[in-house]
Amino acid sequence: NAGVMQNPRHLVRRRGQEARLRCSPVKGHSHVYWYRQLPEEGLKFMVYLQKENIIDESGMPKERFSAEFPKEGPSILRIQQVVRGDSAAYFCASSPFGPSYNEQFFGPGTRLTVL
Amino acid sequence: DQQVKQNSPSLSVQEGRISILNCDYTNSMFDYFLWYKKYPAEGPTFLISISSIKDKNEDGRFTVFLNKSAKHLSLHIVPSQPGDSAVYFCAASEGLAGGTSYGKLTFGQGTILTVHP
Repeated sequence: NAGVMQNPRHLVRRRGQEARLRCSPVKGHSHVYWYRQLPEEGLKFMVYLQKENIIDESGMPKERFSAEFPKEGPSILRIQQVVRGDSAAYFCASSPFGPSYNEQFFGPGTRLTVL
Repeated sequence: DQQVKQNSPSLSVQEGRISILNCDYTNSMFDYFLWYKKYPAEGPTFLISISSIKDKNEDGRFTVFLNKSAKHLSLHIVPSQPGDSAVYFCAASEGLAGGTSYGKLTFGQGTILTVHP
């Protein structure tokens, strides 16, 4: 399966803990997008990264959230000091190109529950 | 500020009939539109797309129509099958229009399609 991989699929954290979500893009894709889906809503853009660079983080909350896409290894979305409002499904998508007429390929998502 | 809207939360259709899902947008900078299908506990799966230079794109049972003047697009599924039952999301991006959008997708809220046997 050469698709986008995300792990863990489910993550439970208590308030104040840290959550780390991983995304391995389709092999050969160097563009990664993170989206968040709150209950009963559509997906909302959070951040766009290329290898080793954050290109657009306009959708990221200003505090507690960070993302990286190192030269080697998966992209990581990190949420520090989680709160109940962070409970959502987090989806990663990859694309062979950045801004272009190309679809993004989505992973299965990580469902974060904050107790 | 909902730039992409799917005003029908749900749609129920009989197997074999046509399903029509609608989507409206407000941002005139959008020039690339996509439909994704999503099953519970899975990620969205790409279905079909259309760029703003076209008004129709067809792929098998799926056809997307774009009316730029009305800022409206629709997805037609003919004939509908029970396996089409899922949530359908309309999404838009500025494609190559550039600026600072960087190809990020703006999604509608989704429409739950149920196809009855």
